[in-house]
Amino acid sequence: GNSVTQMEGPVTLSEEAFLTINCTYTATGYPSLFWYVQYPGEGLQLLLKATKADDKGSNKGFEATYRKETTSFHLEKGSVQVSDSAVYFCALMNRDDKIIFGKGTRLHILP
Amino acid sequence: KAGVTQTPRYLIKTRGQQVTLSCSPISGHRSVSWYQQTPGQGLQFLFEYFSETQRNKGNFPGRFSGRQFSNSRSEMNVSTLELGDSALYLCASSLVSSGSHEQYFGPGTRLTVT
Repeated sequence: GNSVTQMEGPVTLSEEAFLTINCTYTATGYPSLFWYVQYPGEGLQLLLKATKADDKGSNKGFEATYRKETTSFHLEKGSVQVSDSAVYFCALMNRDDKIIFGKGTRLHILP
Repeated sequence: KAGVTQTPRYLIKTRGQQVTLSCSPISGHRSVSWYQQTPGQGLQFLFEYFSETQRNKGNFPGRFSGRQFSNSRSEMNVSTLELGDSALYLCASSLVSSGSHEQYFGPGTRLTVT
């Protein structure tokens, strides 16, 4: 079946460091891929998405590229800020329209 | 435009009781999806309603049910509560269906079963 695996956290970085959160998936066909972010006490917000192979999603300095050959959708940001501290979820959606989420990676950014 | 609202925000119930959670989608949104979030299992899809009909269902027992009203508001019911039902229940709305448009999430209802 469909599944998403992302690196376990927490991930702790200093401000302005480079961020990578790994995400790999298993799916039949060609799913759409997403990164969601959850700030403390809030619901999830869509951060970025990619709907086909080699697409790059980007938003707020975050980027992720849909890599079909490695079934990956790693999240990157060149210079993180304290305000980026949150939980990040990788997710996929296949033709059945159900969204499958990874378990989430908690990110702490130290000033 | 108001966001997705969920009531109540916090709830404490006892094993064996039942509970009803409410979700009001963004105005104009016709699809409402429900998710359960726990530290152990992460986010799991419960079901999706569109135009008062259940369109999709996750792998949860029949104790979990839902419905959608003509104004797109949705309720989720859990009967015969178990300790393992303690979780954050998130609702998300989208314009047409969860498949074709971005989902907007509410802040969630935190349910504690004792």
